[in-house]
Amino acid sequence: AAGVIQSPRHLIKEKRETATLKCYPIPRHDTVYWYQQGPGQDPQFLISFYEKMQSDKGSIPDRFSAQQFSDYHSELNMSSLELGDSALYFCASSYRTSGPSYNEQFFGPGTRLTVL
Amino acid sequence: KQEVTQIPAALSVPEGENLVLNCSFTDSAIYNLQWFRQDPGKGLTSLLLIQSSQREQTSGRLNASLDKSSGRSTLYIAASQPGDSATYLCAATQGGSEKLVFGKGTKLTVNP
Repeated sequence: AAGVIQSPRHLIKEKRETATLKCYPIPRHDTVYWYQQGPGQDPQFLISFYEKMQSDKGSIPDRFSAQQFSDYHSELNMSSLELGDSALYFCASSYRTSGPSYNEQFFGPGTRLTVL
Repeated sequence: KQEVTQIPAALSVPEGENLVLNCSFTDSAIYNLQWFRQDPGKGLTSLLLIQSSQREQTSGRLNASLDKSSGRSTLYIAASQPGDSATYLCAATQGGSEKLVFGKGTKLTVNP
């Protein structure tokens, strides 16, 4: 079965650089979520999109932005990178249709971002 | 605000033992609760989803229960195997939101 695809899998950047992470949800899934997992930490919700509109927002820094495109893939743009942004970034997708989702979130393998 | 707590933080058992992992949450107005497995440096594998109207779910040797009134969920693993060694994360949605709030996980080691 098709899974959530994230690219790149690994990314190394210098401080103050910009990074773009991509997420391709499971086919027919209409909702995408982004989570950040720091070293030794539990995943923290950043932001989500339903039908290309932002649906919820968590502790996402102002330096980060994200969007969902017409083909439902999503990109997380991170600017002015800091050492503390080094983490594993997960994308998840689910099928929501309308109303609240009682459905399972399926996670991608993650993008490991290292900021030097 | 939803807070999720998992006990114990670490657990070491001999192969073949049945075990229970505990998860508690503060906001009972959840849409659902998911249990995940995470191997070191790897992604999150969804094990079981319990929707708010359900009391339990089973998949193979795994059984998860949900008690919204007490804010608790348990993951029961039968006949544990060394391959079950991993960190198990419990995550619950926050009232009115679909975002998952994670516990800090239970690191399970199954010794041969």
